[in-house]
Amino acid sequence: SAVISQKPSRDICQRGTSLTIQCQVDSQVTMMFWYRQQPGQSLTLIATANQGSEATYESGFVIDKFPISRPNLTFSTLTVSNMSPEDSSIYLCSVHRAGELFFGEGSRLTVL
Amino acid sequence: AQKITQTQPGMFVQEKEAVTLDCTYDTSDPSYGLFWYKQPSSGEMIFLIYQGSYDQQNATEGRYSLNFQKARKSANLVISASQLGDSAMYFCAMHGSSNTGKLIFGQGTTLQVKP
Repeated sequence: SAVISQKPSRDICQRGTSLTIQCQVDSQVTMMFWYRQQPGQSLTLIATANQGSEATYESGFVIDKFPISRPNLTFSTLTVSNMSPEDSSIYLCSVHRAGELFFGEGSRLTVL
Repeated sequence: AQKITQTQPGMFVQEKEAVTLDCTYDTSDPSYGLFWYKQPSSGEMIFLIYQGSYDQQNATEGRYSLNFQKARKSANLVISASQLGDSAMYFCAMHGSSNTGKLIFGQGTTLQVKP
């Protein structure tokens, strides 16, 4: 299994501010993934974070709103920009290894 | 396009009994994988079991088994000998052949185990 650490685990944010979520993996992985889970909903892929190149975003998600960094093979950040209450969600980092997809503990954001 | 359907929003089971959580899928990919995850109230996603589309046998992991019926495009999760700690949300998910890290998730089933 993979050990994935996410920070912060939860936060309460003010409307209009931005927050950066960090994801650290215990060993090198080629791709890292960022998912969003809105309250009472299922998970939706935001983007795939590629080391050395721009992230690949899914339909409905844009770089200006969710900028992603991937400085090395064990670390990635997701920023939620100019937050509104609709951004209140759990944000999860995940990695693919040996046929399995492992998730971090998630970052639960509440936007007031 | 790929799609996962979980038709049971909520399920109840008596402790120590078995329970089946339904999952059907739709894909045009010749190769794909199916996952089940457990999400307790804490929010973490716990991997339970995986079935590849070309696997000949149904996957099993301890008390979890996956009833894979390819022709029917179903991948039901069977939990045997339910425990109180099994109470959680359960998600079925799949990936296609192009990006194995991109999962499409079903809407989830909330399971409550009664003592």
